Amino acid sequence: EVQLVESGGGLVQPGGSLRLSCGASGFTFGDYWMTWVRQAPGKGLEWVATIKPDGSEEYYVDSVKGRFTISRDNAKRSLFLQLNSLRAEDMTVYYCARFGYYFGIDVWGQGTTVTVSS
Amino acid sequence: QSALTQPPSASGSPGQSVTISCTGTSSDVGGYNSVSWYQQHPGKAPKLMIYEVTKRPSGVPDRFSGSKSGNTASLTVSGLQAEDEADYYCSSHAGTNNVLFGGGTKLTVL
Repeated sequence: EVQLVESGGGLVQPGGSLRLSCGASGFTFGDYWMTWVRQAPGKGLEWVATIKPDGSEEYYVDSVKGRFTISRDNAKRSLFLQLNSLRAEDMTVYYCARFGYYFGIDVWGQGTTVTVSS
Repeated sequence: QSALTQPPSASGSPGQSVTISCTGTSSDVGGYNSVSWYQQHPGKAPKLMIYEVTKRPSGVPDRFSGSKSGNTASLTVSGLQAEDEADYYCSSHAGTNNVLFGGGTKLTVL
């Protein structure tokens, strides 16, 4: 079964850091562009970051540039998102996801929640 | 970049058809054949319904169809069923491998 499982969410103070992880199974992880998408409670989806299959290129939404870093370990079938300098507006559910088609996300994790509060 | 524009709500009776629009610019929707549509039920992860404007992943009923004209893409759900009631989001490539999502449309089956 094709599956993505996120972990690492939790409560962090404003200005703090957190590292999200995502484990992949059921497909050849290293063949796919991977991405993080977030969704605040009751709000819409927001693309956060994307990484190429070999990890050589990364792309970010403007609001997280310089604060978040996407990375991957193909040998361990894992995707990561390092969140630094966290703000209240970063408090959302973060989904790990796979681009199975041309800008079409066909596999989503269950989401992990980041809470930013003092 | 601003989110793609979707109507906040849409509705239809069982068996009817409903169309949801997604308006962007020539730098996103109009510039690429990369529009996708997602269905999201409460508390669940999104599900891909349409990719590359018109294509359906396996397992998605052919009641769901997509189209595009200029800077506006559309999702049509024909033969509405109760289980189609959900939030729907469009997305598009927005250049330099960036992705834009629409604000979402809540579809109500009356």
